Amino acid sequence: AQSVTQPDIHITVSEGASLELRCNYSYGATPYLFWYVQSPGQGLQLLLKYFSGDTLVQGIKGFEAEFKRSQSSFNLRKPSVHWSDAAEYFCAVAPSGGYNKLIFGAGTRLAVHP
Amino acid sequence: KAGVTQTPRYLIKTRGQQVTLSCSPISGHRSVSWYQQTPGQGLQFLFEYFSETQRNKGNFPGRFSGRQFSNSRSEMNVSTLELGDSALYLCASSLAGRQAGEQYFGPGTRLTVT
Repeated sequence: AQSVTQPDIHITVSEGASLELRCNYSYGATPYLFWYVQSPGQGLQLLLKYFSGDTLVQGIKGFEAEFKRSQSSFNLRKPSVHWSDAAEYFCAVAPSGGYNKLIFGAGTRLAVHP
Repeated sequence: KAGVTQTPRYLIKTRGQQVTLSCSPISGHRSVSWYQQTPGQGLQFLFEYFSETQRNKGNFPGRFSGRQFSNSRSEMNVSTLELGDSALYLCASSLAGRQAGEQYFGPGTRLTVT
């Protein structure tokens, strides 16, 4: 069965520091991969997606992610974190042929210290 | 363009009752998916509707049902409510047809069952 693992439940970084959030997926073929962000009391906002092609994808708010097939990973990065980036981040996969069914990881809660 | 809207935003129900939640997708989007978010289970896929047909279903009991209207608006219904149904219910819409695409989420309906 397909699954998504986000190993870090909580991460705290200082404002201005770099950030990397980890995501590993389990799936036989190359799935469609997504990162979403959720602020308290809000819905989910799409940060970026990978369908095919260039393995380094750029998203909104200065985020990027790199797909590594050999490691079954799709880690999210940002070179310099802002206090407004504090939120919960979810990695998700959509199995090919699975229409719009998303399988989410457990999420990583990011705290930003001034 | 208006985003995904969900009504009501908050709901309190008693065990044994039933509830109906509504979702209006982004104009032009024909796919509507529903997700349940709880602290214990995280984000879980309920079902997806496309052109008034359910084409994907998650692992939830039959008490959870949905439908989609010709204008792509969708409703989900939960009958015989249980305490464990307390959750944030998120709706997402997408342009995508057969393959997965970007999903845009609404703010959610917070259901509390007492």
